[in-house]
Amino acid sequence: EDQVTQSPEALRLQEGESSSLNCSYTVSGLRGLFWYRQDPGKGPEFLFTLYSAGEEKEKERLKATLTKKESFLHITAPKPEDSATYLCAAIASGGSYIPTFGRGTSLIVHP
Amino acid sequence: DAGITQSPRHKVTETGTPVTLRCHQTENHRYMYWYRQDPGHGLRLIHYSYGVKDTDKGEVSDGYSVSRSKTEDFLLTLESATSSQTSVYFCAISEEGLAGFNNEQFFGPGTRLTVL
Repeated sequence: EDQVTQSPEALRLQEGESSSLNCSYTVSGLRGLFWYRQDPGKGPEFLFTLYSAGEEKEKERLKATLTKKESFLHITAPKPEDSATYLCAAIASGGSYIPTFGRGTSLIVHP
Repeated sequence: DAGITQSPRHKVTETGTPVTLRCHQTENHRYMYWYRQDPGHGLRLIHYSYGVKDTDKGEVSDGYSVSRSKTEDFLLTLESATSSQTSVYFCAISEEGLAGFNNEQFFGPGTRLTVL
């Protein structure tokens, strides 16, 4: 069974304090790993897609990386507006190509 | 922003009544999905569609049915609502990528449903 596990469940940072969120996946043949941001009361918003181990993508203060077993979302010098829940999802090869989501990491950045 | 709307945005209903939620897209994407999101459970797939009149079940499909008669509309029906179906419901769309698997999903704003 495909599984995606995110840690920690919640993270509190001070503004400027860099950290990383983890997404561990157990899928049979990864085809794509997705990161989303979700603000309270809104739907998830797409951030990145990673396809193969070693790949990295950046957007402002966020950088996503991928290994054969996990993905990290690195947040450099976060600001209060980075506060949100971050979700990752994985698509496995074969089958229906439906993504499996993790439960998310709730990030709060204090000014 | 991807053109996805959901209606209604909020609904309060009573146990045993039928409820239909609507998802409308203007992107002409092939795939449409219905999820529910609850504290402690994250996003859980209810049903999805891979084309007009082509649908399949997700992990929490019991008590729900769907229909897709047009590319742009995907309806979720609770035949007889129960309190356990109180949740926030999200619709999502995606397109099939060049490699054959699904691209990233775009989500609607959500519908908050309360069943009393």
